[in-house]
Amino acid sequence: QVQLVESGGGVVQPGRSLRLSCAASGFPFGSYGMHWVRQAPGKGLEWLAVILSDGDTEYYADSVKGRFTISRDNSKNTLYLQMNSLRVEDTAVYYCAKGTSGFDSWGQGNMVIVSS
Amino acid sequence: ERVMTQSPASLSVSPGERVTLSCRASQSVTTNLAWYQQKPGQVPRLLMYGASTRATGFPARFSGSGSGTEFTLTISSLQSEDFAVYYCQQYNNWPFTFGGGTKVEIK
Repeated sequence: QVQLVESGGGVVQPGRSLRLSCAASGFPFGSYGMHWVRQAPGKGLEWLAVILSDGDTEYYADSVKGRFTISRDNSKNTLYLQMNSLRVEDTAVYYCAKGTSGFDSWGQGNMVIVSS
Repeated sequence: ERVMTQSPASLSVSPGERVTLSCRASQSVTTNLAWYQQKPGQVPRLLMYGASTRATGFPARFSGSGSGTEFTLTISSLQSEDFAVYYCQQYNNWPFTFGGGTKVEIK
């Protein structure tokens, strides 16, 4: 079955960087676009970024464009989110997700807390 | 950017009642519209895609309709396990966007 397992979250100071990983299994990872979505405490879902199966095409939400970079290593079946210049408002649970018509599989979520 | 607006933000419903949730897009998203169910402390779960196709595991009491800018999720007879937050999402244009959610609570 499809599994998406995120790692790399934690507590970080404002202005610092963090890289999240999402290890995928149970499906042909290299054939799917992959997404990052976040949810601030008590708030709704916010789509952040996608990297298409070709690995060369990326799209970002305006809120993270220029600060976050999505990437993938198809040889390792792993998705990444490099987060730079972190802000307090980036505090959230970060999910990786798979799907072409809606997100049919989600990771368990990884908490990132940006605090001094 | 397509702005997705859900209404109402919350509603209190008794088990067995019919529930209708709305989602409006600022510009047409054709039928590239998904609905998700999220229960407290859980990961969102895909409920509907293509505006009206139920995802695996959801019963027939859930139905979706709409196209263009107006969409509806209907639960014909609310069960106790349906109390949750429901989000719509458009996947017609980048950036993909979610609505703010509708919380369905027990009356």
